[in-house]
Amino acid sequence: AQSVTQLDSQVPVFEEAPVELRCNYSSSVSVYLFWYVQYPNQGLQLLLKYLSGSTLVKGINGFEAEFNKSQTSFHLRKPSVHISDTAEYFCAVSVGSSASKIIFGSGTRLSIRP
Amino acid sequence: DTAVSQTPKYLVTQMGNDKSIKCEQNLGHDTMYWYKQDSKKFLKIMFSYNNKELIINETVPNRFSPKSPDKAHLNLHINSLELGDSAVYFCASSHTTSGGPGGEQFFGPGTRLTVL
Repeated sequence: AQSVTQLDSQVPVFEEAPVELRCNYSSSVSVYLFWYVQYPNQGLQLLLKYLSGSTLVKGINGFEAEFNKSQTSFHLRKPSVHISDTAEYFCAVSVGSSASKIIFGSGTRLSIRP
Repeated sequence: DTAVSQTPKYLVTQMGNDKSIKCEQNLGHDTMYWYKQDSKKFLKIMFSYNNKELIINETVPNRFSPKSPDKAHLNLHINSLELGDSAVYFCASSHTTSGGPGGEQFFGPGTRLTVL
């Protein structure tokens, strides 16, 4: 069965510092991977996704993620964070041939210190 | 504006009551979903409909009944509400091509349900 593990429940960083949010998945078949962001009191918004092709995926707001099949990881990175990046970040994997079902990780709260 | 909308945004009710949450999308998507997010932010899929047909039904009490009158709407009716039903419920939609990768899911703003 597919699953997603986000290793850090909280990540505090200083403004303008780099950040990496870790995500590992388990699956016996090809997967499609996503990162979603949830700002306070809002719904989820897609940051980026990996379907196929280049393993380095660039998303919105300066975020990028790298798909590593050998390590079954899809870590999210940003070279310099802003206060506005404070949010909950969810890694997700889609399953099945139609890939309509998404399994979410438990989320990582990114808090930015001035 | 094109979006996924949910009503109401907040819902406070007593145990044992029956309530409904409505969801509408005007994105032309063929698949809609209901998710439950608990107090620890854990997000779990409950149901998914594709072209008005139920395709995902996770282990959810049968007090929860989704209804899809058309492709643009997926409502959630909850009977005999319990304290443990308190959560934020998110509706989402996507365009899913058969046999291909799932499209991006667009989420509504959520409905915060509080059962007293």
